[in-house]
Formats: sequence, C-alpha cells, structure tokens
Amino acid sequence: RKEVEQDPGPFNVPEGATVAFNCTYSNSASQSFFWYRQDCRKEPKLLMSVYSSGNEDGRFTAQLNRASQYISLLIRDSKLSDSATYLCVVMGRGSTLGRLYFGRGTQLTVWP
Amino acid sequence: SQTIHQWPATLVQPVGSPLSLECTVEGTSNPNLYWYRQAAGRGLQLLFYSVGIGQISSEVPQNLSASRPQDRQFILSSKKLLLSDSGFYLCAWKGETNTGELFFGEGSRLTVL
Repeated sequence: RKEVEQDPGPFNVPEGATVAFNCTYSNSASQSFFWYRQDCRKEPKLLMSVYSSGNEDGRFTAQLNRASQYISLLIRDSKLSDSATYLCVVMGRGSTLGRLYFGRGTQLTVWP
Repeated sequence: SQTIHQWPATLVQPVGSPLSLECTVEGTSNPNLYWYRQAAGRGLQLLFYSVGIGQISSEVPQNLSASRPQDRQFILSSKKLLLSDSGFYLCAWKGETNTGELFFGEGSRLTVL
C-alpha cells in the first residue's frame, strides 16, 4: 500500500467554481501534513501546511482527519492561475530528517 | 536569502552514457539535501539524502550514485544510463527547523534514448 494516495483527477472546472481534493495516508503515526503545488514542468512549492484544527489561507482551506487518516484541500472561487498539480505530502514520524512522502498529485485545470 | 540551483536544466543522453547533475545551495549552512526523481505519471521518489559532507544515504537500489563534496554541493551521477533513468530530477534542501518545507531546485529533465 502506498504511503500517500490521492484522487487521480484530472479535475476540469470553470472559473469561480469550488473544487475539493482528497488524500489518504497509511501511517497512523505520521506527524505533519502539507499541500504542495506543482506547475507544469516546474518544481513543487509549498502551498500550505495542514493543521489538526483545519486552516484557511485566502481561498484555500485544508482539513485533517486523523481518525480516518484523511486530508483535504478546498479551493473556492477558482482562478485560471490555480491550474496546476496539487501534491499531498505527509511527514513520517521518528525520522530526524523529517522524511516526506509525496502523493502522485491531482491535476486541476480551470477554464474561462 | 536562501537559493538553490541545479543544472543542466535539460539533457538528452544515449543509453550507456554517464550522467552528472549538480546542485548548489546558497545562503544556508549545513542543510539537509535531497535528490528526488519524478517519472511521467508518478509521484516524487526519494533517491538520496545527505545530512553533511560525505554523508550519503540511498533510498532505492539503482545504478545512480550521489556525492556531497562540499557543504552546499550535491551531485547525482551514473556511470551508465538506462532507459528507465529518464525523468525529472529535483534537488531539494531543508533547513534545521523541522517545518517540513522542502525547497526545490528548478529541476533537470533527463531523456535517455
């Protein structure tokens, strides 16, 4: 079983739509969670961390459910510039390096 | 501020040829350094990580190797490339604070023919 599983996508939505991505992780001892964004043929960049109580950054809302080992990302009022691949990332526990496990990513295309 | 650079950005190599990708970090000392590979349609796979000069750990057995000759320099190499080595190679660093954020270089896209 993979460490991190994501919706495969792709998601194609019109501008202004609300879209949600889901992710599950296999290691119940995982300690930290993130969403990264990767533009086409570019390097991934941190979008936001995911906190236990849920957190919001502008149009982006991240949720964590430790009991279900489930992470989500909600994007409201989608913009054309939101088109990218979104990577779910989990940090393993017990590693001084903070070992990060990446999902395959969910591709989003926002159309005008 | 910290920056990370890797090169070359793109390369096309024949099967059996050698490989050398270089990564350098500026503006930080003693960073943890990583090499990842992203194959088409796949997630990022950790290949090597290093916590200091001369200290390399390998995650996946393969025909690739890594070296860290200086604190801020990380090199990925191969003596003989395979077709399966094609992919997008990313160097990354993480500072001492365990925030979980990795900073990636611009990536090197390798095509083995």
